[in-house]
Amino acid sequence: DVKVTQSSRYLVKRTGEKVFLECVQDMDHENMFWYRQDPGLGLRLIYFSYDVKMKEKGDIPEGYSVSREKKERFSLILESASTNQTSMYLCASKTGGLNTEAFFGQGTRLTVV
Amino acid sequence: AQSVSQHNHHVILSEAASLELGCNYSYGGTVNLFWYVQYPGQHLQLLLKYFSGDPLVKGIKGFEAEFIKSKFSFNLRKPSVQWSDTAEYFCAVTPMDTGRRALTFGSGTRLQVQP
Repeated sequence: DVKVTQSSRYLVKRTGEKVFLECVQDMDHENMFWYRQDPGLGLRLIYFSYDVKMKEKGDIPEGYSVSREKKERFSLILESASTNQTSMYLCASKTGGLNTEAFFGQGTRLTVV
Repeated sequence: AQSVSQHNHHVILSEAASLELGCNYSYGGTVNLFWYVQYPGQHLQLLLKYFSGDPLVKGIKGFEAEFIKSKFSFNLRKPSVQWSDTAEYFCAVTPMDTGRRALTFGSGTRLQVQP
């Protein structure tokens, strides 16, 4: 079974802190993604990566950055956390093939106070 | 850019009732289509997918979906729901001819099944 593991289930951070959310997948997938999930808005793509050190902005990249130094690990960075970044963050991975599905981690619920 | 619309935001059904959740997408090219489900406290998991071929696809737990290309729709159905189907359901699309590898999701439908 594919496993996508997010390092924390719950996080509470203060406004202005630098926050790291970590995600690891164990299936050698080329593509990795970060989404945020908010009630009534579904999942919105923040950033994705299709290879080591490669990244592309998603639909809502403002206030976020990412890092992918190794194929299995994709980090989401909030440079200076703000209260409007309080949300559920979901990591996903998929292979590089055309007809493939994405696999999701359990999510990190981040609260910025 | 593509978008996905789920018109039912919150659906309440009694056990054994039939279910149909609407999903429409806006993209004129070839797409892959998905339904994901999120049970309370659990991670998002795949319910079913459409890549090509028979437009009626069957997934896990008795769910099925029909792709109607002319209507840009991929509605989810189940003939008889159970209390354990209480969850949030997300429709998603990936365009196949733009190089965008990420899924675009709808806003989700919260299904509540009453015993």
